[in-house]
Amino acid sequence: DADVTQTPRNRITKTGKRIMLECSQTKGHDRMYWYRQDPGLGLRLIYYSFDVKDINKGEISDGYSVSRQAQAKFSLSLESAIPNQTALYFCATSHPTGGGANVLTFGAGSRLTVL
Amino acid sequence: RKEVEQDPGPFNVPEGATVAFNCTYSNSASQSFFWYRQDCRKEPKLLMSVYSSGNEDGRFTAQLNRASQYISLLIRDSKLSDSATYLCVVYTNAGKSTFGDGTTLTVKP
Repeated sequence: DADVTQTPRNRITKTGKRIMLECSQTKGHDRMYWYRQDPGLGLRLIYYSFDVKDINKGEISDGYSVSRQAQAKFSLSLESAIPNQTALYFCATSHPTGGGANVLTFGAGSRLTVL
Repeated sequence: RKEVEQDPGPFNVPEGATVAFNCTYSNSASQSFFWYRQDCRKEPKLLMSVYSSGNEDGRFTAQLNRASQYISLLIRDSKLSDSATYLCVVYTNAGKSTFGDGTTLTVKP
């Protein structure tokens, strides 16, 4: 089984629908992240969480919300999906080392299409 | 100006060539630096961390220049399997990792 599991892997929906993307991890990491990737671009941070009681906005949080249900689970919601939210979404986890590094482990991605 | 900038390429090189990618970052408080590899439509995977003294892993060499705020990745003896997008990632003490847009490499026979 993958260390970081995302569901669904692919989703096609219509404008205005509510969508939830789920992420679960077995790495025991405290930190979890949601990123979005558009074609030809790098990953942009939507939300991140350093523990169950900690939620932080990233650079592109408008139109999204998150829930950290447990250390191992971090879900991303689109309350009312719009076409420009069509993208590839990645969940990631990390556990910072004492040396200041922060290596990310990614899920396989969730491809969302909003019509 | 983006926080992390990379030459998007594409870089098209023959097998066996040496190719170098550069990445610049704007936040002088950045703590650690990485190169990730991403294959088409797949998740990014860590290729290597970048240390101040420079580091090597087989055919791959990473360098960091804090004064000029850039990092580099050198690939020697390119293989067909090196074809991918290479993402520069910068981590700040605020706990966030910022990605460049990636440099696409195609290695041809």
